[in-house]
Amino acid sequence: EIVMTQSPATLSVSPGERATLSCRASQSVSSSLAWYQQKPGQAPRLLIYGASTKATGIPARFSGSGSGTEFTLTISSLQSEDFAVYYCQQYNNWPPLTFGGGTKVEIK
Amino acid sequence: EVQLVESGGVVVQPGGSLRLSCAASGFIFDDYIMHWVRQPPGKGLEWISLISWDSSITYYADSVKGRFTISRDNSKNSLYLQMNSLRTEDTALYYCAKGFLSTYIDYWGQGTLVTVSS
Repeated sequence: EIVMTQSPATLSVSPGERATLSCRASQSVSSSLAWYQQKPGQAPRLLIYGASTKATGIPARFSGSGSGTEFTLTISSLQSEDFAVYYCQQYNNWPPLTFGGGTKVEIK
Repeated sequence: EVQLVESGGVVVQPGGSLRLSCAASGFIFDDYIMHWVRQPPGKGLEWISLISWDSSITYYADSVKGRFTISRDNSKNSLYLQMNSLRTEDTALYYCAKGFLSTYIDYWGQGTLVTVSS
């Protein structure tokens, strides 16, 4: 089973600042990495797939990068609606599909 | 518009059984892999099962293998999860989710809450 590790667990950022979230896989997942955003009381929403391709309707301020075992989600200028929990998920080697533990982006 | 609507979540005693349902619309249901993913209160996401478009392939997380059964009825655009021998650690919000080909999940339902408690 591939273990996904996200850091930090919590990220405190001021509106307008840049946020950088990390995700590490226990073995290579190539570019088979997705990012999801989950707001309180809501279902997760797909942000990024293929490590760097934005899903439909995702704003340009979100970007993904990386391959192999190291991945990054960057939010270039945080808006109020971006404060949420973000999860990475690998789909290169399954079952099982595995998620990271999440990074909570909170207002500083 | 893709819609996934789960139902069937209730409070059940340990050892009990439950069947969750998911009604799908807005896409060609029998073209896609479907998943169940759960989220314990205040915790992260755990994938638990998937089923191929024609029900020929099913996979389960070790945590539910032998106790849960995924199924689908393409004539009714519906996905199911039969849950037996429930444990307190199965308490979670259960999401129905649509797979994109054999890869990531691209749409999620709003979830149905299962509470296992005596």
